[in-house]
Amino acid sequence: DAMVIQNPRYQVTQFGKPVTLSCSQTLNHNVMYWYQQKSSQAPKLLFHYYDKDFNNEADTPDNFQSRRPNTSFCFLDIRSPGLGDAAMYLCATSLQGIGGETQYFGPGTRLLVL
Amino acid sequence: DQQVKQNSPSLSVQEGRISILNCDYTNSMFDYFLWYKKYPAEGPTFLISISSIKDKNEDGRFTVFLNKSAKHLSLHIVPSQPGDSAVYFCAATYNGATNKLIFGTGTLLAVQP
Repeated sequence: DAMVIQNPRYQVTQFGKPVTLSCSQTLNHNVMYWYQQKSSQAPKLLFHYYDKDFNNEADTPDNFQSRRPNTSFCFLDIRSPGLGDAAMYLCATSLQGIGGETQYFGPGTRLLVL
Repeated sequence: DQQVKQNSPSLSVQEGRISILNCDYTNSMFDYFLWYKKYPAEGPTFLISISSIKDKNEDGRFTVFLNKSAKHLSLHIVPSQPGDSAVYFCAATYNGATNKLIFGTGTLLAVQP
């Protein structure tokens, strides 16, 4: 089945230690998104790629970076995680990024910062 | 500033009855509204959507109503089933935004057998 895969499902890191979260998709979609969801809050978009074009949200901290080496993979890098970065990180894809298109989500990676 | 609001964190309904989940928004630029369902340990899955040019969209047991003047939408589930128990997120987007979704905080629906 075509799907969005996130690895790992759970990640524990230390305060200030860089961490990378991974997302892959078999849908061949052009757009990939990263959302951050803190406990009891709404998922919040961090950035997205339209093909190779990177689009950062204005309020996404510089601590968060992303890479998309090819259509299938997208990575979220947190350069120096703080305690406030503990959250669920959701990856999603959309075929063309047209308004109203279905976005397909991965299961998420729960990040814990010690 | 929360542009999409779901003011009820939780809702409990008896099996077979109607579930009504509500959502309010503040941005009149939104063109599409979507509902996603999320089970524990899974990512959100698309349920139903509505364009801002419509006031109703129906798909089986699920109907979404849009009241643009009140900036309010609601999801009706009839009849509710125990398998519908999940967190329901309301989301919105607008044309030209590369389909970026702005989510509400979610409503946890519990359908009692």
